[in-house]
Amino acid sequence: GAVVSQHPSRVICKSGTSVKIECRSLDFQATTMFWYRQFPKQSLMLMATSNEGSKATYEQGVEKDKFLINHASLTLSTLTVTSAHPEDSSFYICSARPMNSLAGYTFGSGTRLTVV
Amino acid sequence: SQQGEEDPQALSIQEGENATMNCSYKTSINNLQWYRQNSGRGLVHLILIRSNEREKHSGRLRVTLDTSKKSSSLLITASRAADTASYFCGTGANNLFFGTGTRLTVIP
Repeated sequence: GAVVSQHPSRVICKSGTSVKIECRSLDFQATTMFWYRQFPKQSLMLMATSNEGSKATYEQGVEKDKFLINHASLTLSTLTVTSAHPEDSSFYICSARPMNSLAGYTFGSGTRLTVV
Repeated sequence: SQQGEEDPQALSIQEGENATMNCSYKTSINNLQWYRQNSGRGLVHLILIRSNEREKHSGRLRVTLDTSKKSSSLLITASRAADTASYFCGTGANNLFFGTGTRLTVIP
């Protein structure tokens, strides 16, 4: 079945630094991948849609300059949290599904970001 | 939430009982999907029901869809302690928006 690998699973960084999170589709290609953020005991909020070879599409209220998304290949999307602050501490999850598939999405295992 | 509401927000049942979770959504849909999330983990796809379907089964899972009411339900029969998790419904054409989720606790 479709597998999505997300790294790192946990990261602690200092305020003001940047953190990069990778999302890889291991056995399929995806022209689009999706980035979500989830606060404790809350639902997943779609942040942006990552488009291979073009700019990401951000949801309303998400700062594109703060959350940089790069989708340079059909199997890799990265989310960089720039100049991180404690309020950026959250659980970030990516998802994707095979091109031309109408099946459910496959999610990465998530990244727990803690900014101190 | 970006997509809608689910109820109940939390549900606690004894092992062996059935669990029913409901989801309401805001816009027209092509399909609706249910996912499960164990604490601190990613989501696992459970079942997808298309807008022209009214009911779908998969093992101990039964999903219904009422497009006139913009609602869906997920029934887990003969629950097990391992079913303890959060359950989310998601809708969207080219992406996926989630409801608020239901935290299910199955007591052994």
